[in-house]
Amino acid sequence: AQSVTQLDSHVSVSEGTPVLLRCNYSSSYSPSLFWYVQHPNKGLQLLLKYTSAATLVKGINGFEAEFKKSETSFHLTKPSAHMSDAAEYFCVVSDRTGNTGKLIFGQGTTLQVKP
Amino acid sequence: DTAVSQTPKYLVTQMGNDKSIKCEQNLGHDTMYWYKQDSKKFLKIMFSYNNKELIINETVPNRFSPKSPDKAHLNLHINSLELGDSAVYFCASSQESKGRGYGYTFGSGTRLTVV
Repeated sequence: AQSVTQLDSHVSVSEGTPVLLRCNYSSSYSPSLFWYVQHPNKGLQLLLKYTSAATLVKGINGFEAEFKKSETSFHLTKPSAHMSDAAEYFCVVSDRTGNTGKLIFGQGTTLQVKP
Repeated sequence: DTAVSQTPKYLVTQMGNDKSIKCEQNLGHDTMYWYKQDSKKFLKIMFSYNNKELIINETVPNRFSPKSPDKAHLNLHINSLELGDSAVYFCASSQESKGRGYGYTFGSGTRLTVV
């Protein structure tokens, strides 16, 4: 069965410093992995996705993630945090065992950005 | 035009009532989903419909009944509402015929509060 584990429930950074949100996955298949962002009282926005093409995936708003099979990781990074990046971030894996695109979410990481 | 729209955005109701949440997508997708986000922000799939056929039913209480009158609509009816049903419910859609999770799009969510 597929699963994802977000290693930090809360990350706090200062504006202008790098962001690292960690995610490990477990999958019997070659996984499809995603990062979604949810701003307070808002819906879910796709940041980026990995679907077995390039291992370094670039997303919106300067975010990127690197798929490392040897480490079963898919960490999200950004060189310089902005105040507007403060939100909840979800690492997600697509379930390949069923008939449709069921998404399995991690527990979420709250990113706090301090001025 | 909103790709996946849910109504209402907010719903406050008393225990024991019956309520419905509506979802419509104008993306021409063949698969629709309902996800539940609990108070700890954990997201989990509830149901999935592919071409109006129920594909996924994730051990959700019988009080929850999805209905898909056509491919563009997936409504969620909840009977005898309980306090524990308070959550944010997200609708989503994808075009599975083009690949697993193709074009996955979420609605903005419906915040249900049971008092």
